[in-house]
Amino acid sequence: EVQLVESGGGLVQPGGSLRLSCAASGFTFSNYAMSWVRQAPGKGLEWVSTISGSGERTIYADSVKGRFTISRDNSKNTLYLQMNSLRAEDTAVYYCAKNTALGGSCYSAQDYWGQGTLVTVSS
Amino acid sequence: DIVMTQSPDSLAVSLGERATINCKSSQSVLYSSNNKNYLAWYQQKPGQPPKLLIYWASTRESGVPARFSGSGSGTDFTLTISSLQAEDVAVYYCQQYYDTPFTFGPGTKVDIK
Repeated sequence: EVQLVESGGGLVQPGGSLRLSCAASGFTFSNYAMSWVRQAPGKGLEWVSTISGSGERTIYADSVKGRFTISRDNSKNTLYLQMNSLRAEDTAVYYCAKNTALGGSCYSAQDYWGQGTLVTVSS
Repeated sequence: DIVMTQSPDSLAVSLGERATINCKSSQSVLYSSNNKNYLAWYQQKPGQPPKLLIYWASTRESGVPARFSGSGSGTDFTLTISSLQAEDVAVYYCQQYYDTPFTFGPGTKVDIK
């Protein structure tokens, strides 16, 4: 059974940093791209970032480019999102999601999602 | 960026009746080299993460009931729920993964009439 468990969310001041983690199990982690998608309170879904299965390719939304860094440790089956220079508009539930394509392509849908972790940016 | 729009914003359908949601992309999401539309549909119920229903515009995800179907190509797509059930009350999103940034539609809320 595929499981994705996010952690690391919380309250942080504007300009601060936070690192989210996503522990994956139930599939061969290195064979699949992984993504972060966020949802501000009461709003729709916003794609944030995707990393290929090998970790060699990373892509970002313009709204987070240069501030957020996605990474993965395939030996630990864990996905990360380092978030720096946080802004109020980054407040959201952050979901970790597995991409569908075997082979690790970033250009694929997301078939399994974690329960999400809430990040609140406020003074 | 590819802009995704959905219509209607919300709809209320009687139990057992058909629900139709439209999704339009600002440019084609059909990749000519493999003839695949890079378009997915998700269902999100309150307090839950999204659930993948359809990918490649018309491929139903494993375990998704057959009453859910996706159609369309290029820039115009449709999600159809052939016979609405009470458990289908949710917000439905389309997403393109043809080009970065991967973008979602604003969502369509489906309720029971």
